[in-house]
Amino acid sequence: GQQLNQSPQSMFIQEGEDVSMNCTSSSIFNTWLWYKQDPGEGPVLLIALYKAGELTSNGRLTAQFGITRKDSFLNISASIPSDVGIYFCAGPLSGTYKYIFGTGTRLKVLA
Amino acid sequence: DAGITQSPRHKVTETGTPVTLRCHQTENHRYMYWYRQDPGHGLRLIHYSYGVKDTDKGEVSDGYSVSRSKTEDFLLTLESATSSQTSVYFCAISGPGNQPQHFGDGTRLSIL
Repeated sequence: GQQLNQSPQSMFIQEGEDVSMNCTSSSIFNTWLWYKQDPGEGPVLLIALYKAGELTSNGRLTAQFGITRKDSFLNISASIPSDVGIYFCAGPLSGTYKYIFGTGTRLKVLA
Repeated sequence: DAGITQSPRHKVTETGTPVTLRCHQTENHRYMYWYRQDPGHGLRLIHYSYGVKDTDKGEVSDGYSVSRSKTEDFLLTLESATSSQTSVYFCAISGPGNQPQHFGDGTRLSIL
C-alpha cells in the first residue's frame, strides 16, 4: 500500500537555526499537507500544496511540492521554542477521500 | 478553529465493555473521519464517512463500528473494548474535493 516516509524522525536544534524535513512516497500525490501537533492536542494544518513545484509560505514556514510529485519539503526558518512539536505530512490516496499520514518528525528546540 | 468537538475527552473503562466516542461538527462538511494515534504508527484511519449513512472502512477497522445519522455527528463504537484499543482517537472533517482535513482535540481512551 501507499506509505509516506518522513525524515528525520526526530531532531534537536538550537533556537534561531533553520530546520528542514521531508516526506517521500512511492506513489504520486496530487495534494500534500503539512500539520503540526502539540502535546495533548490534535494536528493543526500548516500548509496545503496542490501543484507540482508549488512553493508556499506561512510565516517562517515554507513548504514545497516536489516536481516528481512523490515528495514534499518543509522548512522552518529561525526556529523558536514554540516550534517544538511533531510535524506530519499527509496526502490523499488516489481516487479516494482517504488520507494517509507520515509517522512524523519530532522537533525539539534548545533555547 | 474548525468547529469540531470530541466527547468525552478522556475515558477509562474495562475490557469487554462497549464504548462510544462522539464527534460533532458545526461546519456542515460532508466528510468525517476517525483516526487512532499510537506511538510509532502516526495517524491511522479507522473509518470514514462521505455522507449521512454512508461510511467506509479504513486500514484498522477491525473491532470498530461507526454510524452517521445526521451531517453533524459521527459516532465511533467499540462493541467490546480490548486493551489493544487503548489509544488516542481523533476525529477529522473536510469539505469536498481536495480540501484539507481539520482535526478535533482527541479522546484519550484507556482500556484496563
